[in-house]
Amino acid sequence: DAGITQSPRHKVTETGTPVTLRCHQTENHRYMYWYRQDPGHGLRLIHYSYGVKDTDKGEVSDGYSVSRSKTEDFLLTLESATSSQTSVYFCAINGLAGGDEQFFGPGTRLTVL
Amino acid sequence: AQSVTQLGSHVSVSEGALVLLRCNYSSSVPPYLFWYVQYPNQGLQLLLKYTSAATLVKGINGFEAEFKKSETSFHLTKPSAHMSDAAEYFCAVSRKAAGNKLTFGGGTRVLVKP
Repeated sequence: DAGITQSPRHKVTETGTPVTLRCHQTENHRYMYWYRQDPGHGLRLIHYSYGVKDTDKGEVSDGYSVSRSKTEDFLLTLESATSSQTSVYFCAINGLAGGDEQFFGPGTRLTVL
Repeated sequence: AQSVTQLGSHVSVSEGALVLLRCNYSSSVPPYLFWYVQYPNQGLQLLLKYTSAATLVKGINGFEAEFKKSETSFHLTKPSAHMSDAAEYFCAVSRKAAGNKLTFGGGTRVLVKP
């Protein structure tokens, strides 16, 4: 299994509070991604990173920010959580052994009340 | 822009029957195509991928998919369903020039009846 961990795995928070999700990899891969999963929508890209301090927006980036100060860590922040951000969040890294596939972490289930 | 359409959000098959999950894509350049599987309360696991080599791709757990450029399709099949195949399946497309960002279809949930 690719070395990807996410923390926390579950979180319940209230509207208006800041939330930070962490993705940690041990594979030294350049590319990291944050997706959210919602029924009927599959997974949608929030932000991605192509190197330390290099990030770009994805399809559903409004209300989210990211930071990557080290190769192994990619943080997703909800500055002021809203109920529409209740979702399951997945981190992914680019493929292993020269492949192009992404490998996914176990996910974080976030509930915003 | 890329997009992926999976026909049917739910599919029910009998154990031992053919599994056929449909995926059509749109992309302005030759894409990379993937099928992922998600078991309940788990992350996504790669089933197989197409990256411009053989058009018939074999994956894990007896699944295979055929890339048909003329039909812009990448349908997933398995000759004989097993109870353990009950899961949600996602088709996805990416382009290496676009940072390998994945665009997913909406997913198809497979129910296997005994």
